[in-house]
Amino acid sequence: DAGVTQSPTHLIKTRGQHVTLRCSPISGHKSVSWYQQVLGQGPQFIFQYYEKEERGRGNFPDRFSARQFPNYSSELNVNALLLGDSALYLCASSLLTGVYSPLHFGNGTRLTVT
Amino acid sequence: RKEVEQDPGPFNVPEGATVAFNCTYSNSASQSFFWYRQDCRKEPKLLMSVYSSGNEDGRFTAQLNRASQYISLLIRDSKLSDSATYLCVVNAVGGGNKLTFGTGTQLKVEL
Repeated sequence: DAGVTQSPTHLIKTRGQHVTLRCSPISGHKSVSWYQQVLGQGPQFIFQYYEKEERGRGNFPDRFSARQFPNYSSELNVNALLLGDSALYLCASSLLTGVYSPLHFGNGTRLTVT
Repeated sequence: RKEVEQDPGPFNVPEGATVAFNCTYSNSASQSFFWYRQDCRKEPKLLMSVYSSGNEDGRFTAQLNRASQYISLLIRDSKLSDSATYLCVVNAVGGGNKLTFGTGTQLKVEL
């Protein structure tokens, strides 16, 4: 079975530009979450979506937005990129949305902002 | 104070050694606890969930102390392939799938 897939794997953007990252969850998983991992730190929660509705938002500016599609895939959008947005962006899916439902992560998109 | 705190290491241990990692969390409402493993430049992968009674999976044992708000991971008979960063992860009530990660503890197992 395919795991969580993310695209692209690597991306280089310039400050001020916009980026869209994509994620396909494991088949049957309805919950998708996004995390940002800066080098040397643990992943930080950005968003969670379940059944196309936002279920949680982390402490990130409004430049970050996301959505989930009817097929449960998801996009993360970041506007007006800053150098500090350079990070590994991880998408994770889970079968349910509850606290005991473990997350399965994709390989991530490594974003470099120059 | 960070919500989840871990000693960043690195822990350099010889093959066959037993190594223990500790982690503390600040939110007493936390309900579920996990250890994830992350290899260099790879995604985190679930190692094990942590239950109040403690649980064991082969060479790995996880313990939870709710009163002291700490979680531990014990690795026995370390293998070279255990070299990775171990992330302590906590999920609070009402948090859905909002996991809070520690910064991770780096383990290097050497010959």
